[in-house]
Amino acid sequence: QLQLQESGPGLVKPSETLSLTCIVSGDSISSSTYYWGWIRQAPGKGLEWIGSIYYSGSTYNNPSLKSRVTISVDTSKNRFSLKLSSVTAADTAVYYCARRFKWDYFDYWGQGTLVTVSS
Amino acid sequence: EFVLTQSPDFQSVTPKENVTITCRASQHIDGDLHWYQQKPGQSPKLLIKYASQSISGVPSRFSGSRSGTDFTLTINSLEAEDAATYYCHQTISLLLMAFGQGTKLEIK
Repeated sequence: QLQLQESGPGLVKPSETLSLTCIVSGDSISSSTYYWGWIRQAPGKGLEWIGSIYYSGSTYNNPSLKSRVTISVDTSKNRFSLKLSSVTAADTAVYYCARRFKWDYFDYWGQGTLVTVSS
Repeated sequence: EFVLTQSPDFQSVTPKENVTITCRASQHIDGDLHWYQQKPGQSPKLLIKYASQSISGVPSRFSGSRSGTDFTLTINSLEAEDAATYYCHQTISLLLMAFGQGTKLEIK
């Protein structure tokens, strides 16, 4: 059974860089069928796509966040990571990692991790 | 900006009712649409893919349809466990996608 698990600091200071990792188990991140993505959800709000990555390292990021987002993949450790720079309170959210079928739906999600931006 | 608008934002319903949630795109773009269910404190769960295709393990009371640019999620004979927020999600390309704002279902 595929599982995704987010990890990283739960508190980040304003202007610093948020860093999260998603460990994938039960499937190879090098599958040619899937992309791997990050989605976030601010408290009491809806879902916002951050970006996706293919095992080759090709990335596709939300244009509204693009300049601040870096997504990378480590196939040897079956995991992928998110860095979001210059964070503000508006970046406070639950961050989810998920598996994306081609460029379509997200079929498996991690449990999510709350990241709070505060000094 | 590509926006998906769901209606209603909130609905209070009784068990065994039939519920319909609609999702409409701001632009006429031919993209695939999917539906998710999110219960409080949980991550979203895929309910319907490609507008009307069912997902293994999802109860058959959940169904989806499309009429032009309008997409509909129907829940037949609602159960108490269906209390959740429902999101539509349209994918246009690897770089362009959007989620609806969500529809919260409360069970009376």
